[in-house]
Amino acid sequence: EQQVQQSPASLVLQEAENAELQCSFSIFTNQVQWFYQRPGGRLVSLLYNPSGTKQSGRLTSTTVIKERRSSLHISSSQITDSGTYLCATMSNYNVLYFGSGTKLTVEP
Amino acid sequence: AQTIHQWPVAEIKAVGSPLSLGCTIKGKSSPNLYWYWQATGGTLQQLFYSITVGQVESVVQLNLSASRPKDDQFILSTEKLLLSHSGFYLCAWKGGREQYFGPGTRLTVL
Repeated sequence: EQQVQQSPASLVLQEAENAELQCSFSIFTNQVQWFYQRPGGRLVSLLYNPSGTKQSGRLTSTTVIKERRSSLHISSSQITDSGTYLCATMSNYNVLYFGSGTKLTVEP
Repeated sequence: AQTIHQWPVAEIKAVGSPLSLGCTIKGKSSPNLYWYWQATGGTLQQLFYSITVGQVESVVQLNLSASRPKDDQFILSTEKLLLSHSGFYLCAWKGGREQYFGPGTRLTVL
């Protein structure tokens, strides 16, 4: 069973368009973290957002823990935003569960 | 500032051969450390975690083992590699509630 589901699986945008990525989770958690995975595999932490709305630059995350969902909004997309975005949640047992990711492609 | 290193960067190994991957974190005392694995095109899975020297908890059984010989070091190993061990291995540490990842090791088993 996949504890974390992400949608869409892939997304193609024109430069400057906005993106909305969704994450839902089946486990009880109070920790939600969004990552960007570079094409070579390295993970970059984008936002830690256990509840409410958090913003970092062009990224805004909204988490509603009671509904077990989180979203990541990317505004004014750039070509360099292309890559895979991962949502992860941590269980009470020190285990971090990842979704399968949203592959974002931004075209000129 | 904390830094996390993984070695080697990449490995090509034969089925049945031994493996040892390393992870070192500097600038953080007594960190929680984690190992993750990602098959090509697959989802990241946590393999092990350690909250203190000498103590390692297994999360997923993949015929791998882990050890924490020093406060700043986490080792992943096996005596006999399988084809299914191929993939990308990531080490991470926990700062506050967030996890931060190392650059990873890409393993190809032939």
